[in-house]
Amino acid sequence: AQSVTQLGSHVSVSEGALVLLRCNYSSSVPPYLFWYVQYPNQGLQLLLKYTSAATLVKGINGFEAEFKKSETSFHLTKPSAHMSDAAEYFCAVSAYTDKLIFGTGTRLQVFP
Amino acid sequence: DVKVTQSSRYLVKRTGEKVFLECVQDMDHENMFWYRQDPGLGLRLIYFSYDVKMKEKGDIPEGYSVSREKKERFSLILESASTNQTSMYLCASSFTLVADSDSGNTIYFGEGSWLTVV
Repeated sequence: AQSVTQLGSHVSVSEGALVLLRCNYSSSVPPYLFWYVQYPNQGLQLLLKYTSAATLVKGINGFEAEFKKSETSFHLTKPSAHMSDAAEYFCAVSAYTDKLIFGTGTRLQVFP
Repeated sequence: DVKVTQSSRYLVKRTGEKVFLECVQDMDHENMFWYRQDPGLGLRLIYFSYDVKMKEKGDIPEGYSVSREKKERFSLILESASTNQTSMYLCASSFTLVADSDSGNTIYFGEGSWLTVV
C-alpha cells in the first residue's frame, strides 16, 4: 500500500525567501510522485511529477522537487517565494495503479 | 488543454434530499474519479471508474453512489444527503496507466463543487 505524509500543515515565508514543503512517501514498489497546487476556490493543478526518469524534476512557476529514494522523500522547493505562490499544496503517490493517494496538504503563506 | 467541468460550483441542499453532482471531461480519458476534500484530511477518494458502466469503491464510499453511462460523464449521487456530507467535491479524470512511464497517470481536476447540507 502507498501513503504520503506532508510535514507541516502551514508554512509561512517572506517574499523572496526559500520555499521548502516536505513530503515523505511509503510504497512497496517504485512510486510515481506528484505535487499539486490549489488556489482558493479552485480545483487542483499539477505542478510537477516524478515518473522514474530524472530524480530532479522541474515544474511550473519555478518549483522543483527531488526524488530521494534513500530518504523516501519528494520535497518541493522554490528559491524565491512570490506573493502569488500563496496556496495549498498537495503531495500524492501512486504505484502501478490509476489511483492517487494524497497527503493532507500544506498551506503556504507568503508575507511581504 | 484538458477540461474537466463540474456543472455546479455551489449547492445548498436539505437533509434527506437526493443530490446529483455532474462531471464531464473532454479528453476521452478512461478513468474518472470523485474525491471529497475536507480541512486537515486532504483529498479522499469516494469512487472511481475505469470504463463505461464500471466502478470501484474508494476509501469512503458510504452514503454515495456513482453512474457512468457515457465515457465523458461521471455522476456522483448522494441518495439521502446528511449534514456530514457538507464538503468540497472534486471530480478528476486521467488516461489509464500504460507501460510508458512518462504518461505517469496524471490526473486532471475540475474546479470543485461546494455542497452544503442543512
